[in-house]
Amino acid sequence: GQQLNQSPQSMFIQEGEDVSMNCTSSSIFNTWLWYKQDPGEGPVLLIALYKAGELTSNGRLTAQFGITRKDSFLNISASIPSDVGIYFCAGQNYGGSQGNLIFGKGTKLSVKP
Amino acid sequence: NAGVTQTPKFRVLKTGQSMTLLCAQDMNHEYMYWYRQDPGMGLRLIHYSVGEGTTAKGEVPDGYNVSRLKKQNFLLGLESAAPSQTSVYFCASRSRGYEQYFGPGTRLTVT
Repeated sequence: GQQLNQSPQSMFIQEGEDVSMNCTSSSIFNTWLWYKQDPGEGPVLLIALYKAGELTSNGRLTAQFGITRKDSFLNISASIPSDVGIYFCAGQNYGGSQGNLIFGKGTKLSVKP
Repeated sequence: NAGVTQTPKFRVLKTGQSMTLLCAQDMNHEYMYWYRQDPGMGLRLIHYSVGEGTTAKGEVPDGYNVSRLKKQNFLLGLESAAPSQTSVYFCASRSRGYEQYFGPGTRLTVT
């Protein structure tokens, strides 16, 4: 099946640093979503993007819908220990079956106090 | 408003046993999904439903069955559990938009 390439797979950073991660696809997407999963919990929706070039913020998080429609980026500014978790991108592509999402494999973020 | 709930939270089965996982949502969402999550594999779609009384296969449907008799509930069944079905199972739901909302998960171990 179709896959999203999410990178990096993991990051180990110092508290206060900024974080960047991205997702790429070989096909065009019309929606990009970013989720965060805390250990032992279900994914929680952080940001939803619907237009190419769209830039949306949620507190210290900023996500962008790439202008090629084949990628998306998530940035976290001034990281704090509670940012620890796995971040997933998900996309819905044109002609996708019943509006189902395709998920990346996640970026595991560790923050050193 | 509880959102999406899943029962049970944990379960241990022996090979060959059967069980049903229950997902309930109180948001009046049309669409519901069952995923499994394995280390390094991300979220893989097992089955989904686009409305009450309908179900469809996802990416990894083998060994699972589902039913959506009521709009708010989506059941996932394992008729004869296998060790390969050891995983964390997530249910999700959405309305007409593409944002899916997830439950807290069920951790299943098959020995």
